[in-house]
Amino acid sequence: EIVMTQSPATLSVSPGERATLSCRASQGVSSNLAWYQHKPGQAPRLLIYGASIRATGIPARFSGSGSGTEFTLTISSLQSEDFAVYYCQQYNNWPSFTFGPGTKVDIK
Amino acid sequence: EVQLLESGGGLVQPGGSLRLSCAASGFTFTSNAMSWARQAPGKGLEWVSTISDSGGSTYYADSVRGRFSISRDNSKNTLYLQMSSLRAEDTAVYYCSKTTGTLEYWGQGTLVTVSS
Repeated sequence: EIVMTQSPATLSVSPGERATLSCRASQGVSSNLAWYQHKPGQAPRLLIYGASIRATGIPARFSGSGSGTEFTLTISSLQSEDFAVYYCQQYNNWPSFTFGPGTKVDIK
Repeated sequence: EVQLLESGGGLVQPGGSLRLSCAASGFTFTSNAMSWARQAPGKGLEWVSTISDSGGSTYYADSVRGRFSISRDNSKNTLYLQMSSLRAEDTAVYYCSKTTGTLEYWGQGTLVTVSS
């Protein structure tokens, strides 16, 4: 099983600042990596797939990079609606999807 | 607009059974794989099961294999998850998802509580 790890567990950021979230896979997953945003009581929302491709309707301030085992999600200028938990997920072994434990982005 | 509406959650005793449903609209249901994922209280997201567009292939996480069964009715645009031999650790919000390469769209979820 591919194990996903994320860092940091919590990231405190002021509105307008840049946020950088990291994700690591225990073995290479090529570019088969997605990022999701999840707010309490809401459906998780796909942000990025293919490691760097924004999903439909996702603002340009969200960007993804990386391949193999190391990946990054960057939010260039945090808006109030961006405070949430972010999960990375590999789909290299489709459909045996595995998620990272999440990074909570909260208000500094 | 893609819409996924889960139902069927509730309180069930350990060892009991429950069937979840997911009504889909806004896309061609018969052309898409579908999945269930869950989130236990205070925990992260966990993939549970996936079914192919025709229903001919099914896949399960080790944690539920042999206890859960995924199915679909393409004439009703509805996805199901039959859960049996339920355990306390199955307590979670269960989400259905339109599945392409990844879990593209998600419903709002339905809560399943396993407790005596």
